[in-house]
Amino acid sequence: ELKVEQNPLFLSMQEGKNYTIYCNYSTTSDRLYWYRQDPGKSLESLFVLLSNGAVKQEGRLMASLDTKARLSTLHITAAVHDLSATYFCAVRRYGGSQGNLIFGKGTKLSVKP
Amino acid sequence: DAMVIQNPRYQVTQFGKPVTLSCSQTLNHNVMYWYQQKSSQAPKLLFHYYDKDFNNEADTPDNFQSRRPNTSFCFLDIRSPGLGDAAMYLCATSREDFYIQYFGAGTRLSVL
Repeated sequence: ELKVEQNPLFLSMQEGKNYTIYCNYSTTSDRLYWYRQDPGKSLESLFVLLSNGAVKQEGRLMASLDTKARLSTLHITAAVHDLSATYFCAVRRYGGSQGNLIFGKGTKLSVKP
Repeated sequence: DAMVIQNPRYQVTQFGKPVTLSCSQTLNHNVMYWYQQKSSQAPKLLFHYYDKDFNNEADTPDNFQSRRPNTSFCFLDIRSPGLGDAAMYLCATSREDFYIQYFGAGTRLSVL
């Protein structure tokens, strides 16, 4: 069974600081996703990571994937208040018929002045 | 301009009364997805279409059905809504299977 664990689940940061959100998964996958969700709003796709060593960056967010360790990180650089949101990672299970796309529980990020 | 449009934004239905949620897209994407998200929980993929090919998640209840009459439209039918089906329903599209996804604003379903 594919399990996806995110940590931390809650993160309170000060503006200007750096931090990393971790996403571990339990079985082989061929792609990993990061999403952002503002309160009461829909999801927004941030990154799709397709291969080992993949790194993608958009603004203050950088995502990386280590398929051997089954670990993805979302690094936040010099946080600003606008980054406050819930961030989900999701993993696509490679092959099989059960649970094709499994989400982590989400990390609720709050950036304070 | 909105690229993935969900209607209605809010839907109230009665226990056991069938309800249909609508999603349309102007992106001409091959893939359309339906997710369910309950309050303070992660989204859960219900099913997706690659073109006309329907792919159901193993644990999606039979109460949930979907139709995709053409590339632009996809519908989520809940045959007999229960109180536990109250949630936000999100539609998304992607150009290819499980590539970058574009989401609609969602339909919030209440069941009375």
